[in-house]
Amino acid sequence: GPKVLQIPSHQIIDMGQMVTLNCDPVSNHLYFYWYKQILGQQMEFLVNFYNGKVMEKSKLFKDQFSVERPDGSYFTLKIQPTALEDSAVYFCASSLAGGAEVFFGKGTRLTVV
Amino acid sequence: QQKVQQSPESLTVSEGAMASLNCTFSDGTSNNFRWYRQHSAKGLEVLVSIFSDGEKEEGRFTAHLNRANLHVSLHIREPQPSDSAVYLCAVSFTGNYKYVFGAGTRLKVIA
Repeated sequence: GPKVLQIPSHQIIDMGQMVTLNCDPVSNHLYFYWYKQILGQQMEFLVNFYNGKVMEKSKLFKDQFSVERPDGSYFTLKIQPTALEDSAVYFCASSLAGGAEVFFGKGTRLTVV
Repeated sequence: QQKVQQSPESLTVSEGAMASLNCTFSDGTSNNFRWYRQHSAKGLEVLVSIFSDGEKEEGRFTAHLNRANLHVSLHIREPQPSDSAVYLCAVSFTGNYKYVFGAGTRLKVIA
């Protein structure tokens, strides 16, 4: 079936540095999402994105976070600067339409040290 | 605030016995319901999606939706040890293009 690819699967970064998480969504999809899951905890919505704009973001989407999808390339989540509490698995997802089936990637495990 | 709650937190069943998981949601503006499975430290596997009241079967997985009771359940027929995982209920609400997840039920199937 359709696949969302996330690269890399694991990233280790020093606290205070910038990190960009990359997501290659399903090719014809128009809606994009990021979710955060701290190890052993609940999957939490961060942000969704459509037509070049953030539609909705949660309180977990701090000012240090930003998303973009320049020219139909990767959908990215940038964290600048990173903090220890940003350590989590970040899942990217995409859907063809707003209420359509959402396909998730396998996640990128971010470890901030 | 829209909420999704799952019960039980953990469940142990014997191989071959039916496993039943529950999910309640906060209000009736919900429209789509999905059950996912997550093996330890891995991605999400969609099991079944249901949009209208009643039953939806996908192989050994059956979802039952009752909007009036704000409840959706997942039943796993003839579970096997390889079904041991965390099962997540996800609900989307009208007007929101996102899913709200429950905290999950950790299922263990013993041989």
